[in-house]
Amino acid sequence: SYELTQDPSVSVALGQTVRITCQGDSLRRYYASWYKQKPGQAPVLVIYGKDNRPSGIPDRLSGSSSGNTASLTITGAQAEDEADYYCHSRDSSGEHLVFGGGTKLTVL
Amino acid sequence: EVQLVESGGGLVQPGGSLRLSCGVSGFPFSSYEMSWVRQTPGKGLEWVSYISDGGFGTYYADSVKGRFTISRDNAKNSLYLQMNSLRDEDTAVYYCARVVIVATSSVFYDYFDYWGQGTLVTVSS
Repeated sequence: SYELTQDPSVSVALGQTVRITCQGDSLRRYYASWYKQKPGQAPVLVIYGKDNRPSGIPDRLSGSSSGNTASLTITGAQAEDEADYYCHSRDSSGEHLVFGGGTKLTVL
Repeated sequence: EVQLVESGGGLVQPGGSLRLSCGVSGFPFSSYEMSWVRQTPGKGLEWVSYISDGGFGTYYADSVKGRFTISRDNAKNSLYLQMNSLRDEDTAVYYCARVVIVATSSVFYDYFDYWGQGTLVTVSS
């Protein structure tokens, strides 16, 4: 079971904005990080900390947090954004690392 | 260029053992915490284990505690995962990943900034 909850699937029209959320009590204490994964590939870090992007990640991806919910927002979704997205943080005890169940993003 | 390359995966019978390795280059290995993360085919990511930079702190997911052992050899720039008493449900692609920890007086978080390409472990009779 996951201590971080994500919607299994989300869809967005090309060029529109979509928000992918991650809920969990531990998010009140720890920032989440976000990973993008395409089929057959390793995950790639896209957002970490309050709202930081690694080099090479487009600025249409942004992160935010409020209470027990972390969000990944894609502004002006592109076809290449279609992928599975996972959030990560610590569990409530702080001793274990945990991932959300993942959200499959479809760009229509 | 940072590189992480896993090896050691394969087919093993239930109850058997396997040792995974992750060779790294392109960064000072001894300065970073490391983790193993796995993914069952068609399913989500599952954190498996974590080791501190010096190797003295180790943590495990409940699903593998007592069966798996994480270790590292900083002189060889290598990370390991010894897997014993393997079960069908351990079948997965296993990734090694570099961990970055940010800890200040007001904030704490961590993230995986580099990942290997993964090695497939299949547990089946």
